[in-house]
Amino acid sequence: GENVEQHPSTLSVQEGDSAVIKCTYSDSASNYFPWYKQELGKRPQLIIDIRSNVGEKKDQRIAVTLNKTAKHFSLHITETQPEDSAVYFCAAGGNQGGKLIFGQGTELSVKP
Amino acid sequence: GAGVSQSPSNKVTEKGKDVELRCDPISGHTALYWYRQSLGQGLEFLIYFQGNSAPDKSGLPSDRFSAERTGGSVSTLTIQRTQQEDSAVYLCASSPHSGRAGELFFGEGSRLTVL
Repeated sequence: GENVEQHPSTLSVQEGDSAVIKCTYSDSASNYFPWYKQELGKRPQLIIDIRSNVGEKKDQRIAVTLNKTAKHFSLHITETQPEDSAVYFCAAGGNQGGKLIFGQGTELSVKP
Repeated sequence: GAGVSQSPSNKVTEKGKDVELRCDPISGHTALYWYRQSLGQGLEFLIYFQGNSAPDKSGLPSDRFSAERTGGSVSTLTIQRTQQEDSAVYLCASSPHSGRAGELFFGEGSRLTVL
């Protein structure tokens, strides 16, 4: 089955800097790669996703890149703000209907 | 309702007791998922229901865990003979996407503590 590895587990940046979180997946048949943000004590919420027919997707300060050959994808946050502080999860799936396997999470801390 | 509803929000039980956790998905969503989140850990896949298809139970950690979904709507996750390592937040999510991966809408979770 699918296995998703996520790095780093913790990331601390200064406000205004960029943050990058990386994930690798094992099942080459996976075709859907979402990213979720979970603020402290709250439910995870989708922030951006990408399907395997594109290599990059942007939404304001957030971008995701996908390298299907290498089986890895990354989340890029530019001009970070304190409100970006949260745990971020990547996921992979789509080859078995809607089943999604999540990475272990990255705790991002943005220092003012 | 406006979102995925889970109950109870908190459950404290003694080792060896059975517990039931309930999930009410968003109306019309055909897909329903259960995940487990232990303290400081990721989202561990447990089970996935898609319409009338047989559920994908590949993530259930032992035969003490079971889940059902009645009438294609409400789902119940049952843990029998609870152990301390079962302590975690159990998250339910639903999705409107039929047969393909798409956005999951999560509930607030049920926090289970096994003493």
